[in-house]
Amino acid sequence: GQQVMQIPQYQHVQEGEDFTTYCNSSTTLSNIQWYKQRPGGHPVFLIQLVKSGEVKKQKRLTFQFGEAKKNSSLHITATQTTDVGTYFCAGPTDSGYSTLTFGKGTMLLVSP
Amino acid sequence: DAGVTQSPTHLIKTRGQQVTLRCSPKSGHDTVSWYQQALGQGPQFIFQYYEEEERQRGNFPDRFSGHQFPNYSSELNVNALLLGDSALYLCASSLQRLDRGETQYFGPGTRLLVL
Repeated sequence: GQQVMQIPQYQHVQEGEDFTTYCNSSTTLSNIQWYKQRPGGHPVFLIQLVKSGEVKKQKRLTFQFGEAKKNSSLHITATQTTDVGTYFCAGPTDSGYSTLTFGKGTMLLVSP
Repeated sequence: DAGVTQSPTHLIKTRGQQVTLRCSPKSGHDTVSWYQQALGQGPQFIFQYYEEEERQRGNFPDRFSGHQFPNYSSELNVNALLLGDSALYLCASSLQRLDRGETQYFGPGTRLLVL
């Protein structure tokens, strides 16, 4: 079945350093979505990418969708302690409809 | 405009018991999906309800069942609880198809602990 993989599983950075997490799907995706989950919280939608090669920015966050629509990345410039949390990518399941297959997430810890 | 709401927020049960979790979708959404998130893992799809019917199901045993009501709210039932059922149960609402640019909105979840 469809698999979504994320690396790294965990990253610890000093405040001000950059951070990148990578997402790979076993199948071509119609779109990819990114979520952030703070410790003790629930996944919160960040962004959706639809087009091949698409790049979107949200302040210090840059999201990219690969040309083959099978991979994606999230880059955070100059991390802050408020960036702490787990970042998940997710894509629609092979069968369509509105269900998502999630990666296992990348946990980001930022030290002041 | 209320977002997705879930109840209860926390629950403690013992092995063998049964539990019912509830979800009200975001206003205007007609589709409810349930996910199980074990500690340190990503959410795993349990099933989805649309038009009061289970439309799609993930790899979960029949002990997990659900229901959708005419007002689109939904329940998740788990029978014969096991220790391994301890997790955060997330409800997500959306419009019918995600591949048409829609997205899912998650509720705060119900944390279930099975002792």
